[in-house]
Amino acid sequence: AQKVTQAQTEISVVEKEDVTLDCVYETRDTTYYLFWYKQPPSGELVFLIRRNSFDEQNEISGRYSWNFQKSTSSFNFTITASQVVDSAVYFCALSGYQKVTFGTGTKLQVIP
Amino acid sequence: EAQVTQNPRYLITVTGKKLTVTCSQNMNHEYMSWYRQDPGLGLRQIYYSMNVEVTDKGDVPEGYKVSRKEKRNFPLILESPSPNQTSLYFCASSLGQGVASGANVLTFGAGSRLTVL
Repeated sequence: AQKVTQAQTEISVVEKEDVTLDCVYETRDTTYYLFWYKQPPSGELVFLIRRNSFDEQNEISGRYSWNFQKSTSSFNFTITASQVVDSAVYFCALSGYQKVTFGTGTKLQVIP
Repeated sequence: EAQVTQNPRYLITVTGKKLTVTCSQNMNHEYMSWYRQDPGLGLRQIYYSMNVEVTDKGDVPEGYKVSRKEKRNFPLILESPSPNQTSLYFCASSLGQGVASGANVLTFGAGSRLTVL
């Protein structure tokens, strides 16, 4: 069975601070995909990034960066210089052969 | 516009009254799935479908049924709803899922908030 753990339930930061959202996963598959999705207060689910299990390169997209470490089964997400618009629930997800498993989500509140 | 459409968006019903939540996508996606979102539990997969006439259970299938007679539609059926099925439901689709076809990005519907009294 596959599992995704997001231990941080809620995080509050002051605007312009950096924040890292943790994601730890478990799977027996040798090939898999990891994702981050954002759910703003309006409720829709928005795709942020996909990472293959065989590609451990970190990725940066503007203020967002992702650190994938297979050795520790982690796929952490960092927001640099946070903004109020970053306030949302963030979900980490794992896709194996057929099923998709989500973590319980981390609610990020950015205080102006 | 490429999208996943769910209906109804909001529904209040009573225990035991059968209901169907419809889901339709216009992207010719092969993979479709249903999730429920509950506080503290995140998104949990109810059922998924790899293609027409191919469906399988997710992690929380009890009390739900699905069918995939056409590629674009994937309705979620609650034969006899109970209060513990009060939740926010999301339908999602992707080009394909799993390592065979390459895991693809899920496109989600706007969600259906269901209350069972």
